[in-house]
Amino acid sequence: AQSVTQLDSQVPVFEEAPVELRCNYSSSVSVYLFWYVQYPNQGLQLLLKYLSGSTLVESINGFEAEFNKSQTSFHLRKPSVHISDTAEYFCAVSVHAGNNRKLIWGLGTSLAVNP
Amino acid sequence: DVKVTQSSRYLVKRTGEKVFLECVQDMDHENMFWYRQDPGLGLRLIYFSYDVKMKEKGDIPEGYSVSREKKERFSLILESASTNQTSMYLCASSLYSGRRYEQYFGPGTRLTVT
Repeated sequence: AQSVTQLDSQVPVFEEAPVELRCNYSSSVSVYLFWYVQYPNQGLQLLLKYLSGSTLVESINGFEAEFNKSQTSFHLRKPSVHISDTAEYFCAVSVHAGNNRKLIWGLGTSLAVNP
Repeated sequence: DVKVTQSSRYLVKRTGEKVFLECVQDMDHENMFWYRQDPGLGLRLIYFSYDVKMKEKGDIPEGYSVSREKKERFSLILESASTNQTSMYLCASSLYSGRRYEQYFGPGTRLTVT
């Protein structure tokens, strides 16, 4: 069965420091990869996605993720975090479900940005 | 923008009650999903539907049922609520065609069963 592993359940970091949230997946076929963010008491929002093409994808708020096929990874990075980036981050991979597709989710990484 | 709405943000029910959680999306998406989210367990798929009147079991369907009578609406039903169903419930929708596989989420319903 396909799976997604987020290697850190919690990541504390100081404001303006760089951060990397790690995600590995298991799949032997073409994959579509996603990062979602969940701010406190809210639903999930799509942060960025990899479908094809350039292996480096970027979000509008300074996050980026790199698809590495050989290492089956899709790590999320930001060079300088803000207090407002404090949230839960989920990595997901799209897999076939019959004639359709569904997402397999990691357990999430809680990012805490401290002043 | 895609909008997914859920009928309640917070809900308190008693053990044994029948509970309905409603979800509506306004972007004509074929697929709809119900998840529950618990600390340390991430998102777990309860049921999903890829068409009107169609449903598929997810990873944890026990104790739940669903209804999809119209394309835009997907209901989650707890036939007899129990305390272990206290959780955050998230609804999502996605397109079937093309390569838009991402899911769009509602704000969630925090259900407490006492």
